[in-house]
Amino acid sequence: AQSVTQPDIHITVSEGASLELRCNYSYGATPYLFWYVQSPGQGLQLLLKYFSGDTLVQGIKGFEAEFKRSQSSFNLRKPSVHWSDAAEYFCAVASRTYKYIFGTGTRLKVLA
Amino acid sequence: GAVVSQHPSWVICKSGTSVKIECRSLDFQATTMFWYRQFPKQSLMLMATSNEGSKATYEQGVEKDKFLINHASLTLSTLTVTSAHPEDSSFYICSARGDWGSYNEQFFGPGTRLTVL
Repeated sequence: AQSVTQPDIHITVSEGASLELRCNYSYGATPYLFWYVQSPGQGLQLLLKYFSGDTLVQGIKGFEAEFKRSQSSFNLRKPSVHWSDAAEYFCAVASRTYKYIFGTGTRLKVLA
Repeated sequence: GAVVSQHPSWVICKSGTSVKIECRSLDFQATTMFWYRQFPKQSLMLMATSNEGSKATYEQGVEKDKFLINHASLTLSTLTVTSAHPEDSSFYICSARGDWGSYNEQFFGPGTRLTVL
């Protein structure tokens, strides 16, 4: 069965520091992978997605993610975090039936 | 492009009443629409998948008679929470996918906050 694990429930970083949010998935075939960000009381905003091709994916707001098939991972990174990045981040995997399975989310806190 | 709207953005109702939430794809035809539920500080859980003109497919554990889904057109799906109770209070998010290209990702609406008193 498909599943997504985000091991870190909360992460706190200082503004300007680098960030890595972890995501591991379980899926029998090549997955479609997504990272979304959600601010309190808001809907989801797509940061980036991986369907195929280059395993290093660039997204919006300076985020990038790397697909590593051998590790079943799709970690999200940002070289320098801004205070406005504080939010909840969700990793998702999709199957060819188009159903998305979301991870439990990682809440990012940014210290000034 | 690929914008999805939801209405209302928030609703408060009394226990026992029914509430309808609309999900619209504004600039594309949505072959499939999905309804999710999100409890505070939790992840999104898929409730049901609906295709235009067909009955919705509900996920295990979701009551069909409680959460009525109608997908009458290629741009509109509605979720009706019938006889709502306080435990139905949640954040409901819809998404829609089109039918172009080799893979069709979902585009998410802004969500509807339901509070049942």
